[in-house]
This record gives sequence, C-alpha cells and structure tokens, in this order.
Amino acid sequence: ETGVTQTPRHLVMGMTNKKSLKCEQHLGHNAMYWYKQSAKKPLELMFVYSLEERVENNSVPSRFSPECPNSSHLFLHLHTLQPEDSALYLCASSQDLPGSPTGELFFGEGSRLTVL
Amino acid sequence: AQSVTQLDSQVPVFEEAPVELRCNYSSSVSVYLFWYVQYPNQGLQLLLKYLSGSTLVKGINGFEAEFNKSQTSFHLRKPSVHISDTAEYFCAVSRYGGATNKLIFGTGTLLAVQP
Repeated sequence: ETGVTQTPRHLVMGMTNKKSLKCEQHLGHNAMYWYKQSAKKPLELMFVYSLEERVENNSVPSRFSPECPNSSHLFLHLHTLQPEDSALYLCASSQDLPGSPTGELFFGEGSRLTVL
Repeated sequence: AQSVTQLDSQVPVFEEAPVELRCNYSSSVSVYLFWYVQYPNQGLQLLLKYLSGSTLVKGINGFEAEFNKSQTSFHLRKPSVHISDTAEYFCAVSRYGGATNKLIFGTGTLLAVQP
C-alpha cells in the first residue's frame, strides 16, 4: 500500500447508528487532516492532528469525534448523524507540520457517506 | 479574511483545444497559491504551487499557472487538453495561521473535455 488509504469507500448509515471512518498514511508524514467535501461548496477543514496531537477543531459538531492513535492512523467516529452530514470525507496528510503554509497535502480517495 | 473565487463551475472544451480555468483570491497579506486536481472517484492531488520567485509555474500533465499580484489572480492554463484531463480543479490559498496550515479552497471548476 502506498499513499493515503481510506476505508470504507462507501458507507450508508441511519441517524441512530455508530460507525467509524479509517485513514492510514504510508508516507511517514507528521500531520493528518479530515476534510468534508459537499457538492458546490469549498472543502471544509474539520480536524488537524500534528504528531498525534489535535491542533484544530474547526467548530465541528460533537457527533463527529476524531481519534489519532499514532502518526499513521486517523479515525473519524460518527454518531447520531443528520442527513445534511452526507458528503465525501477526505483524509489528508502532510510532511510539514501544520503552521507551515507551503506544505503539500496528500489526499486519500475519500469515504462517501450517506445518512438516511 | 482570505477567500478564493473560482467563477466558472464548469468549463466544457473540445479535445486539443486550449483551456484557462480562472482563480481569484483576496488577501491582505502574502499568500501561497495551489491548484489541486480531483479525478472521478479519487482524492485531490497537487497539480502545481506558487511559493515565490517566477510568477509562471509549471505543473504536472502540461498545466501551468501564472501568479498576477496586481490582479490577485492565479489562472490555470493548458495549451491542448486531452480527454484524460476531465476532472474537477480546485484553486487554494494558504496563509500562516496559528498552529495549522489554513489551506482555503475554492468551490472547484469541472473541466469537461469532449471528443
């Protein structure tokens, strides 16, 4: 495996379910990110982890709960979501630490979430 | 506050024709500028970036972009497109903001290349 991998690629869940999205980066990077991509809207930064420590929580509702157990793995735990949470959730990593404005982000292919 | 504007949500073009995707930004400070591409059912990947130096930046797949400070623009160009260039293109601007890399994305432009 190379790059950034996300599982599952597709997820359908009811509003009362609990599920998790997983992201794994094989690049030896120091920072990991969760973005939300909705149609016709700019990518929304949700969470940032630097060296396994959360450094940003971008006013995300508590029904989204991130977890970064080590520098290679990032999870997004989902609980009692709303239909408007349906979107593509993208994980990314960067070699540069957050705060460096010149760093390149490497994205996974995303997890397409549908909330019924 | 910074923002990025991609005025064209979709740009149809015939194969082998030139194309320009427009991007304008607003910022009161120096910025770094990026173009990312998202092919169908894939994540985003970096196409090119402007950090400093020459205002004409060359990227992958024959794309280039020109940084114009006076017009606050960073338009993406390719002299001859291929069917395989069909994808969504995102302009992004970066600023130094506290502990995180604040990469602000535009809404994207879908480049639809027709045979």
